[in-house]
Amino acid sequence: ETGVTQTPRHLVMGMTNKKSLKCEQHLGHNAMYWYKQSAKKPLELMFVYNFKEQTENNSVPSRFSPECPNSSHLFLHLHTLQPEDSALYLCASRQGNYGYTFGSGTRLTVV
Amino acid sequence: AQSVTQLDSHVSVSEGTPVLLRCNYSSSYSPSLFWYVQHPNKGLQLLLKYTSAATLVKGINGFEAEFKKSETSFHLTKPSAHMSDAAEYFCVVSDLHSGNTGKLIFGQGTTLQVKP
Repeated sequence: ETGVTQTPRHLVMGMTNKKSLKCEQHLGHNAMYWYKQSAKKPLELMFVYNFKEQTENNSVPSRFSPECPNSSHLFLHLHTLQPEDSALYLCASRQGNYGYTFGSGTRLTVV
Repeated sequence: AQSVTQLDSHVSVSEGTPVLLRCNYSSSYSPSLFWYVQHPNKGLQLLLKYTSAATLVKGINGFEAEFKKSETSFHLTKPSAHMSDAAEYFCVVSDLHSGNTGKLIFGQGTTLQVKP
């Protein structure tokens, strides 16, 4: 384990479902990130939170809704997704310029 | 703006031979550079990082990388490949400077194949 825990590891959902991805870190890091990794594409930054405040939304569709209730937890709420949203969703945390730590990811399949 | 270019999408080596994975970067600032490795169905693991200290950076599992400002390069090397090194490797630059969010910009990735 890296210190960043993501659940669930795998998720299959229909296009009309609502689900949430969870990320948790107890490393004392102040910044948390959501990245999307699709096949044959570079990792894409989705959202950035610093000290629980969202500091970046990288033009992500509104069907993805992040939530950061405290510095240790980050959620990604999903609703009415499309098949092209199927990907590996990675959470990361950072402290200063050193502690970029990634979770193992959630493999999402939208059917 | 920062960017990275990984010059090879696929590299194949024989076990026991040297590994070279090439990366060029573009940055408006003194960059922070990283190499990450991703094994199949796993998350990303940090191999090594450069943050304006020594230009030759040693990482885990025998990997090292050299920051060359004149060539804007940060190539990853290993003297002798092991079968367990087969994975996807990402060169990454950080935009962590005053007023920026510290996001990571990833290269396209290089798939390393190690043949017996």
